[in-house]
Amino acid sequence: QQKVQQSPESLSVPEGGMASLNCTSSDRNFQYFWWYRQHSGEGPKALMSIFSDGDKKEGRFTAHLNKASLHVSLHIRDSQPSDSALYFCAASETNSGTYQRFGTGTKLQVVP
Amino acid sequence: EAAVTQSPRNKVTVTGGNVTLSCRQTNSHNYMYWYRQDTGHGLRLIHYSYGAGNLQIGDVPDGYKATRTTQEDFFLLLELASPSQTSLYFCASSDQGPNTEVFFGKGTRLTVV
Repeated sequence: QQKVQQSPESLSVPEGGMASLNCTSSDRNFQYFWWYRQHSGEGPKALMSIFSDGDKKEGRFTAHLNKASLHVSLHIRDSQPSDSALYFCAASETNSGTYQRFGTGTKLQVVP
Repeated sequence: EAAVTQSPRNKVTVTGGNVTLSCRQTNSHNYMYWYRQDTGHGLRLIHYSYGAGNLQIGDVPDGYKATRTTQEDFFLLLELASPSQTSLYFCASSDQGPNTEVFFGKGTRLTVV
């Protein structure tokens, strides 16, 4: 059973629009979250991490974490065609010797 | 930027065949990982290691062996390949534990016919 769930499976937004991606963990031990982006033919690359409740902004990307509900979201403002990619959420616990668990991914298409 | 190199990039093998996927990272990272990526399942961890000679079991280890021969090199072995192991395989590395950025290679597309 997947411990990290993402929604929606796919998303289409117009160029310049706002894209919102969601991620929920079913394991309360998972308190640390990352967002990764994967372009076609490439491996995933980290976008940003969020470890504390609230918002974290990096350029056009804003992540929001609610630890009580184990929910994290990623918002991309002013979406560009180059943002079209597969986005993964990853969650981890604090203990060393463990690892990040990835979600099923959200496919984002930005339409010019 | 961290470099993770996988080989081969594409591989076709027959059912019951032996396959070895290779991975080298050049950033002296302690942790190395093998993931498989399948539509509808995302990325699932097969095996990982936190140093030469160390091996840990991930979430989907059945049918796979792995070996970490040096700090840099991590291998994934399929000794009796099955069609269910047709997938896109990624090697990755990270400096410390689960709360640090994971760096991925470009992937190996494996087809078992």
